[in-house]
Amino acid sequence: GQNIDQPTEMTATEGAIVQINCTYQTSGFNGLFWYQQHAGEAPTFLSYNVLDGLEEKGRFSSFLSRSKGYSYLLLKELQMKDSASYLCAVRASNDYKLSFGAGTTVTVRA
Amino acid sequence: SAVISQKPSRDICQRGTSLTIQCQVDSQVTMMFWYRQQPGQSLTLIATANQGSEATYESGFVIDKFPISRPNLTFSTLTVSNMSPEDSSIYLCSVVFSNTEAFFGQGTRLTVV
Repeated sequence: GQNIDQPTEMTATEGAIVQINCTYQTSGFNGLFWYQQHAGEAPTFLSYNVLDGLEEKGRFSSFLSRSKGYSYLLLKELQMKDSASYLCAVRASNDYKLSFGAGTTVTVRA
Repeated sequence: SAVISQKPSRDICQRGTSLTIQCQVDSQVTMMFWYRQQPGQSLTLIATANQGSEATYESGFVIDKFPISRPNLTFSTLTVSNMSPEDSSIYLCSVVFSNTEAFFGQGTRLTVV
């Protein structure tokens, strides 16, 4: 099976930076996705990594190390609207199916 | 990206009944999937909706309980059959356009009473 771990909760202050780690042990690897999910809403696609390194998209960046089975999502200049659950998902093969971690709830405080 | 319309957005159903959820995409997609998100949990894949053939189910999910149709490249339905309170969840369709993108519909929040 697939094993994807991420912290349950994180709290940070408005304007600060938060890093959400994700480690994975899967039968294969064909890409890692990050999603944002606000309470009561569907997940929103944030980023995709398949090669090692950092992908930057505005205030959000995602990093991948395939040899370590590790990724992180970096949220900069935190805003109150960034309070949400962040889901790490791994695609283990070429069939496009995703396996999800349990999600990290980020709370941004004023 | 594209517009993914999922309906109903929510429903309250009596146990023993069935509910069919629709997912419509405004462009042709390579792959469509159905996921379930139980209260306080992350997403679990139910099945791959195959165009013109039977869906491929994940371990723990069966066709009799979750029949799926996908008559073309833009539309799919998921039926939750003979519902019980344990089926209360959010059901989400997901579409894949390319190797680097996977998007979700807005979800159907189902409550079984």
